Amino acid sequence: QQQVKQSPQSLIVQKGGISIINCAYENTAFDYFPWYQQFPGKGPALLIAIRPDVSEKKEGRFTISFNKSAKQFSLHIMDSQPGDSATYFCAGAISGTYKYIFGTGTRLKVLA
Amino acid sequence: NAGVMQNPRHLVRRRGQEARLRCSPMKGHSHVYWYRQLPEEGLKFMVYLQKENIIDESGMPKERFSAEFPKEGPSILRIQQVVRGDSAAYFCASSPGEESEQYFGPGTRLTVT
Repeated sequence: QQQVKQSPQSLIVQKGGISIINCAYENTAFDYFPWYQQFPGKGPALLIAIRPDVSEKKEGRFTISFNKSAKQFSLHIMDSQPGDSATYFCAGAISGTYKYIFGTGTRLKVLA
Repeated sequence: NAGVMQNPRHLVRRRGQEARLRCSPMKGHSHVYWYRQLPEEGLKFMVYLQKENIIDESGMPKERFSAEFPKEGPSILRIQQVVRGDSAAYFCASSPGEESEQYFGPGTRLTVT
């Protein structure tokens, strides 16, 4: 019940294309869903986060879509750039707590 | 304001040796979290500490692993008698409060030969 399932495991996108990464959670108590971006040799860095009271959140080229009834959320990267090539992790957490449950990661490669 | 610092960045140990991983939180942060990342897997919570206190160690293996966050100095994750299965990236994160966003360090990559 604590799992966050993430897909695909890897993704190759042409420059300018849309990258889509999907996550599904089981714990209905989760009410905070952050996405982290991790470059090789670096620690994860918070990219964007959403709470279930909204169905979509957009920051620049990055958009989170949230479907509460399906317990799913996804990250869309518009106009993908080679600099977006990284591993992306979704996570679920209960607000006010510290224990993030991470997905297994998606390795994104954007071709120039 | 320096970010979360971890050292060493890479650590090689032979089976049976001890590994000590250090984490200095961001300035003003008194909450530290350790995560482990196995190859091709996400980060798994290990332990949450505040100064001189272990708050939650539910993700720590019961044996050989210990963590501390002394009043002075960095937080330390200690692995005794390492085995090959301990090879992983260990990340430390810090936050100013329990309900605050966690900021991650660059990690220590432990290789057990």
